[in-house]
Amino acid sequence: AQSVTQPDIHITVSEGASLELRCNYSYGATPYLFWYVQSPGQGLQLLLKYFSGDTLVQGIKGFEAEFKRSQSSFNLRKPSVHWSDAAEYFCAVGLSGGYNKLIFGAGTRLAVHP
Amino acid sequence: DTAVSQTPKYLVTQMGNDKSIKCEQNLGHDTMYWYKQDSKKFLKIMFSYNNKELIINETVPNRFSPKSPDKAHLNLHINSLELGDSAVYFCASRRTSGGDNEQFFGPGTRLTVL
Repeated sequence: AQSVTQPDIHITVSEGASLELRCNYSYGATPYLFWYVQSPGQGLQLLLKYFSGDTLVQGIKGFEAEFKRSQSSFNLRKPSVHWSDAAEYFCAVGLSGGYNKLIFGAGTRLAVHP
Repeated sequence: DTAVSQTPKYLVTQMGNDKSIKCEQNLGHDTMYWYKQDSKKFLKIMFSYNNKELIINETVPNRFSPKSPDKAHLNLHINSLELGDSAVYFCASRRTSGGDNEQFFGPGTRLTVL
């Protein structure tokens, strides 16, 4: 069955530090991969997505993610975190074909220390 | 503004009541979804409609009945509300053809059942 694992439930970093949020997926075919961010009490905003081509994708707010097929991973990175990045981050797999539903990971809550 | 909108934003009701949540998108998309986010922030697909036809129906109690009067609207009616129905419900939409599989999410409806 398809699944998405975000191993880190909660991460705390200092403002200005680098960030990497991990995401591993299990899916037999070529996946569509997404990272969404949810600020407290807000909806989901797409940070970036991977469908094909260059395995390093750039997103909004200075985020990037790298697709590694051999590791079934799609980790999210940011070189310097800002206090406003504190939020819940969700990795998702979009199942190819049909009307593909999204399978979400459990989320990683990011706290940023000043 | 072009967006996915949901009403109401908050809904507080008693057990046993019947309630509806409405979703509208003006993005010209042809597929719409309902997701449920539980108290642990876990997001799970419930339903999907394409051109007013039900195409995804996960294992959701039949107290939940989605209705799509047209491509731009997908409503969710819940009968005999239970405490466990308390959650945030997100609507999303997507363009199926020629699209990049990105789903656009509404702001969510926080349902509290007392």
